[in-house]
Amino acid sequence: DQQVKQNSPSLSVQEGRISILNCDYTNSMFDYFLWYKKYPAEGPTFLISISSIKDKNEDGRFTVFLNKSAKHLSLHIVPSQPGDSAVYFCAASNGGAQKLVFGQGTRLTINP
Amino acid sequence: DTGVSQDPRHKITKRGQNVTFRCDPISEHNRLYWYRQTLGQGPEFLTYFQNEAQLEKSRLLSDRFSAERPKGSFSTLEIQRTEQGDSAMYLCASSLMGSVGGYTFGSGTRLTVV
Repeated sequence: DQQVKQNSPSLSVQEGRISILNCDYTNSMFDYFLWYKKYPAEGPTFLISISSIKDKNEDGRFTVFLNKSAKHLSLHIVPSQPGDSAVYFCAASNGGAQKLVFGQGTRLTINP
Repeated sequence: DTGVSQDPRHKITKRGQNVTFRCDPISEHNRLYWYRQTLGQGPEFLTYFQNEAQLEKSRLLSDRFSAERPKGSFSTLEIQRTEQGDSAMYLCASSLMGSVGGYTFGSGTRLTVV
């Protein structure tokens, strides 16, 4: 029962362009969503989050959009930089950032 | 270094042996979490502690798995009678209760059961 799904295993984007990573969820009780970035041989690093009372949250080059009716969230990175190449996980929880349910991840490659 | 520390980084063990992993969280964090990640998947929740109390355990955590956080500081995760299906990356994370940001993860312990 995959409650959080990232349907694109990989994404390749040219440096300077926009990267859009997508995530879908099925559990309508989720009220908090997060994105993590993971480099090889390291643990995931928290990137940005959004509460279900909002539909957008922005932090520098990173913006997360939440569409509750579609149960869909996306992460926009603009402009994309080579250091953004990593695996990105979306995660969701209810009742605050306690137990998180993660998606399978999307490997983002930024090409120079 | 004030991050989350996990030891060992790698562990190779024979099937049937017991293994124990250690996690040292960020010192002021009162919550500690264990996750497991297999190839091509995201991390899966195993268990979490608030101070020394284990508040939730996943159904993934079979009777062969036990976790402790005896003094509300470091934690150990023990796997008894390891099986090949236990091969995975075991991730520890910590957070401060009430914080709205994400957890801080350690770099993980990679377990290979041969």
